[in-house]
Amino acid sequence: ELKVEQNPLFLSMQEGKNYTIYCNYSTTSDRLYWYRQDPGKSLESLFVLLSNGAVKQEGRLMASLDTKARLSTLHITAAVHDLSATYFCAVDPEAGGTSYGKLTFGQGTILTVHP
Amino acid sequence: DTGVSQDPRHKITKRGQNVTFRCDPISEHNRLYWYRQTLGQGPEFLTYFQNEAQLEKSRLLSDRFSAERPKGSFSTLEIQRTEQGDSAMYLCASSIRGVRDEQYFGPGTRLTVT
Repeated sequence: ELKVEQNPLFLSMQEGKNYTIYCNYSTTSDRLYWYRQDPGKSLESLFVLLSNGAVKQEGRLMASLDTKARLSTLHITAAVHDLSATYFCAVDPEAGGTSYGKLTFGQGTILTVHP
Repeated sequence: DTGVSQDPRHKITKRGQNVTFRCDPISEHNRLYWYRQTLGQGPEFLTYFQNEAQLEKSRLLSDRFSAERPKGSFSTLEIQRTEQGDSAMYLCASSIRGVRDEQYFGPGTRLTVT
């Protein structure tokens, strides 16, 4: 059974600081997604990582994927209050290049950015 | 609005009643997914369709849960004989089958079973 673990689960940051959220998964996959969820809202897609070494950046967020280590990171640069949310990674247990779309999500990392 | 829509947004029901939720995907998307999210957890995959074919349903939580997508457009998720443990947010997502297969989520239906 595919397991996806995020750490930390809770992250309290000061504005302007940098930090990294880690996502480890237990089976071979070349397909990993990052989502953001605001309280009471649905999930917003942030990044799609489709190969080993993939790196994507949007604003203050940068995501990367190391399929050999089965690890993805979400790096936050110079945090601002608007980044406060819950961040999820999700893994597709792809086989043979075919996406099944049956995402397994991590537990989520609750990020709070303080002034 | 061309995003994924779900109806109703909130449903309160008494234990033992049946409930049905509807999901309308983004119009050109051929894949549709159902997930359940409980408080403090990530979404949990339930089932998915490619066009009208249900390709995976082994993850449906029990035989009280069923889903349909009769014409490959909207989908319904039905829970029969609801139990208090069914209280959760039910999320629908859609995607285009392809390299990215990026799933776009709807706003969810929050179910409360009393």
